[in-house]
Amino acid sequence: DTAVSQTPKYLVTQMGNDKSIKCEQNLGHDTMYWYKQDSKKFLKIMFSYNNKELIINETVPNRFSPKSPDKAHLNLHINSLELGDSAVYFCASSNQGRDTQYFGPGTRLTVL
Amino acid sequence: AQTVTQSQPEMSVQEAETVTLSCTYDTSESNYYLFWYKQPPSRQMILVIRQEAYKQQNATENRFSVNFQKAAKSFSLKISDSQLGDTAMYFCAFMKLSTGTASKLTFGTGTRLQVTL
Repeated sequence: DTAVSQTPKYLVTQMGNDKSIKCEQNLGHDTMYWYKQDSKKFLKIMFSYNNKELIINETVPNRFSPKSPDKAHLNLHINSLELGDSAVYFCASSNQGRDTQYFGPGTRLTVL
Repeated sequence: AQTVTQSQPEMSVQEAETVTLSCTYDTSESNYYLFWYKQPPSRQMILVIRQEAYKQQNATENRFSVNFQKAAKSFSLKISDSQLGDTAMYFCAFMKLSTGTASKLTFGTGTRLQVTL
């Protein structure tokens, strides 16, 4: 009965590869987010979707492309991975985009 | 733009003692929420407590309470009767309540809390 789940939890890949991270929430929320936590533990918003519509798009390289097939799912696809993409990526969800955000367990991405 | 400052990179407290983590923020907004999240070694981000800016009363959740000083833009977290399981990174976060349909969290840099025997 996990509220916000992410797969995979760990991802190790080579530079230049393309990879995806999936997120699902069963809280009935209509807004989902991607955050990036860098090596110094700093967390920053990347994207937000509300009812499948992109609402927040921070300054993120266009190699990162979020996709929301429905309001319970938000995936993150990353093309041409670079060393600097190594980080922990967190998915989160909230109700109506104005309430407490609940986080998934995070995906640790390591680019070699 | 909003900024959140946590001036204590690391803190230590003995089991059963009380510790206070500091957070200040800068905003021109009047309608917002403030949060404390905890990140234990498991990496999971766990909500500790939430404070609505329009509420004068300080939020409490069991052993966790805040001291919210709106005029001073200060939002400290007090942990009473500290337990070993409280060992974690603690993040202060600000959320402006926008008129749009999504509000982002702006995080501080975190305070690493170690609870010792």
